[in-house]
Amino acid sequence: QQQVKQSPQSLIVQKGGISIINCAYENTAFDYFPWYQQFPGKGPALLIAIRPDVSEKKEGRFTISFNKSAKQFSLHIMDSQPGDSATYFCAASIPPYGNNRLAFGKGNQVVVIP
Amino acid sequence: DTGVSQNPRHKITKRGQNVTFRCDPISEHNRLYWYRQTLGQGPEFLTYFQNEAQLEKSRLLSDRFSAERPKGSFSTLEIQRTEQGDSAMYLCASSLGASGLREKLLFGSGTQLSVL
Repeated sequence: QQQVKQSPQSLIVQKGGISIINCAYENTAFDYFPWYQQFPGKGPALLIAIRPDVSEKKEGRFTISFNKSAKQFSLHIMDSQPGDSATYFCAASIPPYGNNRLAFGKGNQVVVIP
Repeated sequence: DTGVSQNPRHKITKRGQNVTFRCDPISEHNRLYWYRQTLGQGPEFLTYFQNEAQLEKSRLLSDRFSAERPKGSFSTLEIQRTEQGDSAMYLCASSLGASGLREKLLFGSGTQLSVL
């Protein structure tokens, strides 16, 4: 059973545009929501994370928007660059297991074209 | 420290053979995790160590799988009597235990296992 579901499966964006990836979850006990970026042949790398007590968090060109009532959160990549072309995973964790006992989504492939 | 190191990067084995992977975490990190990732899927949690103690194991970790972390440093993951369904990327990650958002999980580049 997929505990977090991502959409769309893949995304093609023009350089300079905004990439938006959505994630939905069912378990209201989740209390930590990170986004990871993965390049081919590499392990996932943490991009940005949020807790459900805030609705938005921004770090550089990356923003998480969190909607607790809808049980959804999204990743916005502003001014998308070809170097952002990667697979993006949303994830969530449940206490008391801590931040890193994570349930991952299936991933979204983002392609940024020049 | 250059990050989490995993060896080998690739492993091809025949069904029924045993394989062992090694993970060297970032030296000051006390927590170590193993995840498995199949093609087109996100990583799936397998097991977790705090120092040398294995604190949690996923139901995905069958009896054929065993993980150790002697002396709380490097870790090994052994798969006995491999099956074709074991083919996957095995990812190791480590973190320095902290509260809130300060605990960041850092992944290695993984060991890609192919079982023929």
